[in-house]
Amino acid sequence: GAGVSQTPSNKVTEKGKYVELRCDPISGHTALYWYRQSLGQGPEFLIYFQGTGAADDSGLPNDRFFAVRPEGSVSTLKIQRTERGDSAVYLCASSPQRGGGFETQYFGPGTRLLVL
Amino acid sequence: AQSVSQHNHHVILSEAASLELGCNYSYGGTVNLFWYVQYPGQHLQLLLKYFSGDPLVKGIKGFEAEFIKSKFSFNLRKPSVQWSDTAEYFCAVRDDYKLSFGAGTTVTVRA
Repeated sequence: GAGVSQTPSNKVTEKGKYVELRCDPISGHTALYWYRQSLGQGPEFLIYFQGTGAADDSGLPNDRFFAVRPEGSVSTLKIQRTERGDSAVYLCASSPQRGGGFETQYFGPGTRLLVL
Repeated sequence: AQSVSQHNHHVILSEAASLELGCNYSYGGTVNLFWYVQYPGQHLQLLLKYFSGDPLVKGIKGFEAEFIKSKFSFNLRKPSVQWSDTAEYFCAVRDDYKLSFGAGTTVTVRA
């Protein structure tokens, strides 16, 4: 079946601009996660959705970052007033509904964001 | 929150050599542990996982990992690597619902 998809695959923007990154999870997966991977590092947690609501947004670095999942499927990560330090690969993952806590997260290909 | 340490940043070895990548996590209790692999130009894929039971876990492509609770470790092994095992390998621990990843180990296998 189809995996997690993310668009765009690459995004180049200028400092100060607004960007939106999209994630389409595996069909039927109610849990959705965003991670950020900087060069030479492992992915770092940003935000977790269970259904439509953000259950934990503690990983968002500041209030320029925001994410939504209005219908419990597709999610959009929004970054306002981008800074050069926001350059990274943004990864989305999804997993089945929590049941006993044994879900595996399946990752998308990521969006590589470059802020000039 | 959990943290994960991967001991090697870059490993270079020849085909047919044995591979072992170290991974330690920060504290005990019930843990779910994962190894993910990222082949060049591809996305993160699950290699294997440990939730409970037998501490020796078999994964895809001949990989295995051993969970040693007393050492807070989950090392990855493969007895004989192939050129196609060239990739970046990430160890991760599930901290409630989110994953905490190590910094990754780049493995280069020379033909």
